[in-house]
Amino acid sequence: DQQVKQNSPSLSVQEGRISILNCDYTNSMFDYFLWYKKYPAEGPTFLISISSIKDKNEDGRFTVFLNKSAKHLSLHIVPSQPGDSAVYFCAASDGGAQKLVFGQGTRLTINP
Amino acid sequence: GAVVSQHPSRVICKSGTSVKIECRSLDFQATTMFWYRQFPKQSLMLMATSNEGSKATYEQGVEKDKFLINHASLTLSTLTVTSAHPEDSSFYICSALRQPLTYGYTFGSGTRLTVV
Repeated sequence: DQQVKQNSPSLSVQEGRISILNCDYTNSMFDYFLWYKKYPAEGPTFLISISSIKDKNEDGRFTVFLNKSAKHLSLHIVPSQPGDSAVYFCAASDGGAQKLVFGQGTRLTINP
Repeated sequence: GAVVSQHPSRVICKSGTSVKIECRSLDFQATTMFWYRQFPKQSLMLMATSNEGSKATYEQGVEKDKFLINHASLTLSTLTVTSAHPEDSSFYICSALRQPLTYGYTFGSGTRLTVV
């Protein structure tokens, strides 16, 4: 049972444009959501997070939106840069268990 | 910022041998660490939650006797893959939770295990 789903395995975006990565979840107990960036053979690097009490969190070029009723979150990157090319994972946790559940990842490619 | 060091980064071992992977939180104390496994082009699958001073909590389907986890101090957790087989070849990643939760989870750089 995949509790966190990223339905787009890949996304290609032109440099300077907006990248939108999507994530859906099924467990209504999740109350904390995170986005990670990952390069091959490396550990994930934290990008941005959002608590379920918020619907938006912004940090520089990265903004995460949370729609609790739809159990959907998205990561917006604007403007997209070539260095943003990587695999992006969304993850969720419930405060009690503390453990993270990851989506399958979306490979983002930024084209010059 | 929080740093988690994971060693070794790569290891090749023969079938039947055991391999130990270390995960250290360098600048913070982590009462809870997590071990993940990632197959090529797949998600990170949580294997177990490691709690300092107590037994690890394993996810369903993960063999406790095969993947031994020890969290002997607030800065070190180890994963030992015992009697390794080729199907254990994978990318193993640890993460440490820095309290409070808003500090987040910091990941190690991962270990590529190849069993030949």
